[in-house]
Amino acid sequence: EAQVTQNPRYLITVTGKKLTVTCSQNMNHEYMSWYRQDPGLGLRQIYYSMNVEVTDKGDVPEGYKVSRKEKRNFPLILESPSPNQTSLYFCASRGFDRNTEAFFGQGTRLTVV
Amino acid sequence: AQSVTQPDIHITVSEGASLELRCNYSYGATPYLFWYVQSPGQGLQLLLKYFSGDTLVQGIKGFEAEFKRSQSSFNLRKPSVHWSDAAEYFCALLPGYSSASKIIFGSGTRLSIRP
Repeated sequence: EAQVTQNPRYLITVTGKKLTVTCSQNMNHEYMSWYRQDPGLGLRQIYYSMNVEVTDKGDVPEGYKVSRKEKRNFPLILESPSPNQTSLYFCASRGFDRNTEAFFGQGTRLTVV
Repeated sequence: AQSVTQPDIHITVSEGASLELRCNYSYGATPYLFWYVQSPGQGLQLLLKYFSGDTLVQGIKGFEAEFKRSQSSFNLRKPSVHWSDAAEYFCALLPGYSSASKIIFGSGTRLSIRP
């Protein structure tokens, strides 16, 4: 089954404690992205990757890092989380063929206290 | 600049009534357009997509959408809603140029169903 898997689904952490949200896809997709969803703002892109070792900033990259060492994985790293990073996060992947849809993970609800 | 506007933040309709959710986009060429649904506590599920061809697109769960280039719109419709359709709906755009990597989302419309 085609899938984008994020872990964890829920996370409560304290300000400044480094954390990583993992994302893995089993469709051999080239494109992977991270979005955050906030009320009234829809989904905004944080970072994206067009292939292994190729990453770039999206609209709201401040406070986040990513890496793409393998095609299937695209972890999101918060080196020093702050309360304004409390949000719902989605990972997405899409193939190079532009006539294909994007697949989204189930989301990670992060709370930073 | 590319953007997607969903003018209705929250809509309530009666079960069995028809539904239309509005979506307008701003993009200089023909975009790829999508509607996603997000049920409470769930991820995003693709309802339908428009890439080219027939401007009336059929999706899952009885939804359809019509692409109108002259109005820069891609409104979502359903002839008769069910209580299970209560969710948040997102219209989204992917620019048509080959290097585009970002799906641009509208701010969403929350749909409530009146029994």
